[in-house]
Amino acid sequence: SAVISQKPSRDICQRGTSLTIQCQVDSQVTMMFWYRQQPGQSLTLIATANQGSEATYESGFVIDKFPISRPNLTFSTLTVSNMSPEDSSIYLCSVIPISGNTIYFGEGSWLTVV
Amino acid sequence: GNSVTQMEGPVTLSEEAFLTINCTYTATGYPSLFWYVQYPGEGLQLLLKATKADDKGSNKGFEATYRKETTSFHLEKGSVQVSDSAVYFCALKGQGGSEKLVFGKGMKLTVNP
Repeated sequence: SAVISQKPSRDICQRGTSLTIQCQVDSQVTMMFWYRQQPGQSLTLIATANQGSEATYESGFVIDKFPISRPNLTFSTLTVSNMSPEDSSIYLCSVIPISGNTIYFGEGSWLTVV
Repeated sequence: GNSVTQMEGPVTLSEEAFLTINCTYTATGYPSLFWYVQYPGEGLQLLLKATKADDKGSNKGFEATYRKETTSFHLEKGSVQVSDSAVYFCALKGQGGSEKLVFGKGMKLTVNP
């Protein structure tokens, strides 16, 4: 299994600002992902965080808006840039441990943009 | 591409009622199938999974069987409890290559005493 810690757990942000969300895992993982869950909606994959290289973004998501870092096998950050109220969502970190193939999720970072 | 279609809610049941949440999928080959649950104010938790045809996943009284012939993975529970009130998501992971999950839209379940 994997224990995932996301920070911040909740935040209220001003329009036009940027916020960085951290994802820390208690064990090494092969893959890390960032998902978005808009209010009342399902989860949508933003990107796959690649260690030591640029993230792989899904259609509709771009690096300038959602820069991602992954410096090692246990840590990643997602930045939501130049936020607008439409960015109000839960952002979830997801991982696959080296020791298995089950996908685990963090508890999410609940962002409200005002 | 891969996709998941699940029964949308919201659904309200009385305690001890039988629950079925339908989920069908479109994918090439043999995907892995999952049910995730999101309790109020919490993150996503894996409820159960099945990785090959005819496998049955089970956990906390919930069951789902991977039916290749009908491309389905319906979630069932014989007697729901108030504590089962949550949003349930069906998801799949494609065979080989990509490890990313594709989710259904989710179904909100409320169980009343």
